[in-house]
Amino acid sequence: EVQLVESGGGLVQPGGSLRLSCAASGFTVSSDYMIWVRQAPGRGLEWVSLIYSDGNTKYADSVKGRFTISRDISKNTVFLQMNSLRPEDTAVYFCAKDDYGAYWGQGTLVTVSS
Amino acid sequence: EIVLTQSPGTLSLSPGERATLSCRASQRVTGNYLAWYQQKPGQAPRLLIFDASRRATDIPDRFSGSGSGTDFTLTISRLEPEDFAAYYCQQYGSSLPNTFGQGTNLEFK
Repeated sequence: EVQLVESGGGLVQPGGSLRLSCAASGFTVSSDYMIWVRQAPGRGLEWVSLIYSDGNTKYADSVKGRFTISRDISKNTVFLQMNSLRPEDTAVYFCAKDDYGAYWGQGTLVTVSS
Repeated sequence: EIVLTQSPGTLSLSPGERATLSCRASQRVTGNYLAWYQQKPGQAPRLLIFDASRRATDIPDRFSGSGSGTDFTLTISRLEPEDFAAYYCQQYGSSLPNTFGQGTNLEFK
């Protein structure tokens, strides 16, 4: 059974950093595309980042240069390192399997506020 | 960047009725790589349709997707009470960044 569990969210001040984790089971993260999607309170879904099975990465313009997606195959986990956080980054962050989101985690809330 | 525009923003219907949701792209969606999701409050999105018309695992056959190029449709043939939720389309594949529509809220009439 495929499962994804996000962690690492919390309250952070503007300019701060957080690292989100997405622990996977039931498949190998290196064999599939993995994405991060976020949803600001009361808003729609926003695509954030993608890591291909070959390790290449892509980002939305809104996070490029500030966020980094990576993976640890030994832990079967995907990460999202978020630096220089802004209030507008406040959202629930979801990870999902495949670029068409075949399976999703439950999400982790990131709040950027002073 | 491909902009996806969903219509209507809100759709008010009753159980048993047919729902038709539209997703229009600002340019052709490569490979018809278009997905539809259902999301209920406080929950993660659930994949309904991918590749424009392929139903995801365990999705009831009252949900169907159609369209190609720039115009796509999600149809729910006969609404069940559990179908009232928000619906999003997404284009994926080589057209980066992948993008979502702004959503359609399907509510009880």
